Amino acid sequence: EIVMTQSPATLSVSPGERATLSCRARQSVSINLAWYQQKPGQAPRLLIYGESTRATGIPARFSGSGSGTEFTLTISSLQSEDFAVYYCQQYNDWPYTFGQGTKLEIK
Amino acid sequence: EVQVLESGGGLVQPGGSLRLSCAASGFTFSIYAMSWVRQAPGKGLKWVSAISGSGGDTYYADSVKGRFTISRDNSKNTLFLQMNSLRAEDTAVYFCAKGPTISGWHNWFDPWGQGTLVTVSS
Repeated sequence: EIVMTQSPATLSVSPGERATLSCRARQSVSINLAWYQQKPGQAPRLLIYGESTRATGIPARFSGSGSGTEFTLTISSLQSEDFAVYYCQQYNDWPYTFGQGTKLEIK
Repeated sequence: EVQVLESGGGLVQPGGSLRLSCAASGFTFSIYAMSWVRQAPGKGLKWVSAISGSGGDTYYADSVKGRFTISRDNSKNTLFLQMNSLRAEDTAVYFCAKGPTISGWHNWFDPWGQGTLVTVSS
């Protein structure tokens, strides 16, 4: 299976600042990469798919980039509601796999 | 509004069985693949199984292959996960999620249900 590794495990950022989250695949997944946000006690919410396409209703401050094995989720100006856990997922091959998550916390 | 809603979770003894359901609404259920994803307490997300829109193709994680069976009833807009020979390590919140294509290939997940908790313990 394709192992997905996210870094850092925890990221402390102040509101209004930029956050950059990384996701690395052990082998190429082309652009078949999605990002999700999960808040405590809630279901994950799709943010980005196809490496850089924002899902419906997702604010423009969220952007995705990368291809192959290296991907980045950038949140340009953090709002209070953005502090959560973020997961990447590859859907290039079975079994679909997720990264272990990055917890974005308030600094 | 596109929605999926899981049910059927609960406490079961090791070796026991449980059947989860996922009721879908707000979209043409039969033309979209569906998946189950689970999350053990305090842990990350793990894909479990997927099924094509027709139900003719199914996919499983190695950890559940031979024990879990995914199915769907397109006449009732409902997805199922039959879980047999349950183990303590199957304890998790189980989410159902809609894929963007009929085949199940190259699927991200949107939306997700709120999840149903399965606890395997004696």
